[in-house]
Amino acid sequence: NAGVTQTPKFRILKIGQSMTLQCTQDMNHNYMYWYRQDPGMGLKLIYYSVGAGITDKGEVPNGYNVSRSTTEDFPLRLELAAPSQTSVYFCASSYSRPGTGYEQFFGPGTRLTVL
Amino acid sequence: AQKVTQAQTEISVVEKEDVTLDCVYETRDTTYYLFWYKQPPSGELVFLIRRNSFDEQNEISGRYSWNFQKSTSSFNFTITASQVVDSAVYFCALSEKGQAAGNKLTFGGGTRVLVKP
Repeated sequence: NAGVTQTPKFRILKIGQSMTLQCTQDMNHNYMYWYRQDPGMGLKLIYYSVGAGITDKGEVPNGYNVSRSTTEDFPLRLELAAPSQTSVYFCASSYSRPGTGYEQFFGPGTRLTVL
Repeated sequence: AQKVTQAQTEISVVEKEDVTLDCVYETRDTTYYLFWYKQPPSGELVFLIRRNSFDEQNEISGRYSWNFQKSTSSFNFTITASQVVDSAVYFCALSEKGQAAGNKLTFGGGTRVLVKP
């Protein structure tokens, strides 16, 4: 059971480039999330999904897009990368009964630098 | 809107000292969930505890203990007899039951704990 896996671990982008951060979970969780963590700060929610085909914006969605075609995968797309998107990106998943407060399981993170 | 405040940005202690991390939250919901996560220097996030709003009993797990006080909207975390391996950033987080779906978490800014030998 690998849990939540993320690729790549590190990436350097030039301003204006695009990339996709991959996230896969093997726990059959319906809920998945993308967060960003800026240096010395807490995590902020970018996008989340409550199931395949359903996504919604979080607190800081600008500059990002997501899709959820399967239960397992939740890729995050960065279009036209900007220095402000330099951050560590975490993917997470959780069980899906609404209002039950299940804990989220996090991937190891992707450290992205935009120069 | 929900909010989580961790006023202590960094705490430095000597090994075997106790350390208490403060967490204060704001929510309009009467039912909600509180969490603590640990982020060691390696960077991953490790789940420590979940507490729902209608269970105010304190909890102890080894050297870790949590004090939930609904009257003051606080969910404090104490490490007893700290060890060097406890050095990490600790995050408090809140999830509101009132959200229609998603169990989304709002995180505090984190408290960095440095335990010196």
